Amino acid sequence: DIQMTQSPSSLSASVGDRVTITCRASQSIRSYLNWYQQKPGKAPNLLIYAASTLHSGVPSRFSGSGSGTDFTLTISSLQPEDFATYYCQQSYSTPRTFGQGTRLEIK
Amino acid sequence: QVPLQESGPGLVRPSETLSLTCTVSGYSINSVYYWGWIRQPPGKGLEWIGSIYHSGSTYSNPSLESRLTISVDTSKNHFSLKLSSVTAADTALYYCARGGFGSYHAFDIWGQGTMVTVSS
Repeated sequence: DIQMTQSPSSLSASVGDRVTITCRASQSIRSYLNWYQQKPGKAPNLLIYAASTLHSGVPSRFSGSGSGTDFTLTISSLQPEDFATYYCQQSYSTPRTFGQGTRLEIK
Repeated sequence: QVPLQESGPGLVRPSETLSLTCTVSGYSINSVYYWGWIRQPPGKGLEWIGSIYHSGSTYSNPSLESRLTISVDTSKNHFSLKLSSVTAADTALYYCARGGFGSYHAFDIWGQGTMVTVSS
């Protein structure tokens, strides 16, 4: 199985801050890396697929980069609605695996 | 109209079989997507359970494979999950989701989720 490791596990930030979350795969997954946002009590929502492609309707302050084993999700200027938990997921092979999540909290 | 809607019992006895259905609205289940199940234990992260493709091919998490059946009913435009011999470790919020080949196999639409508790 491909292990996905996110860092940090939690993060405190303020509205307007630039935030970066990292995801590392245990082996190369090329660009088969997706990012999801999950708010309490809600299903995850796809933000970015193929490492850097913004899903339809997702604000442009979100961006993704990376390939191979190292990936990042960046939020350029945090908005109040961005405080949530973020997950990376590889879709390169089965079993599909998720990172453990990064909880983004208000400072 | 909710695109994906999970349904099934909220309480299952230990050693019995958990059965859930995901009803798809607005899309043909025979179209160029695939369909998956993901679960989330209370307060924990996401775990992929398995997926089924329009060809009928299924892929399962090896940790669940021996207990898992995923199937599609094209006449009802829904797909189903059966997990046998459940234990308390199977207590979780279960989501169904749509996977898109154009989105590098990401899950681009999710159901609202249904909570399943395994308890006597």
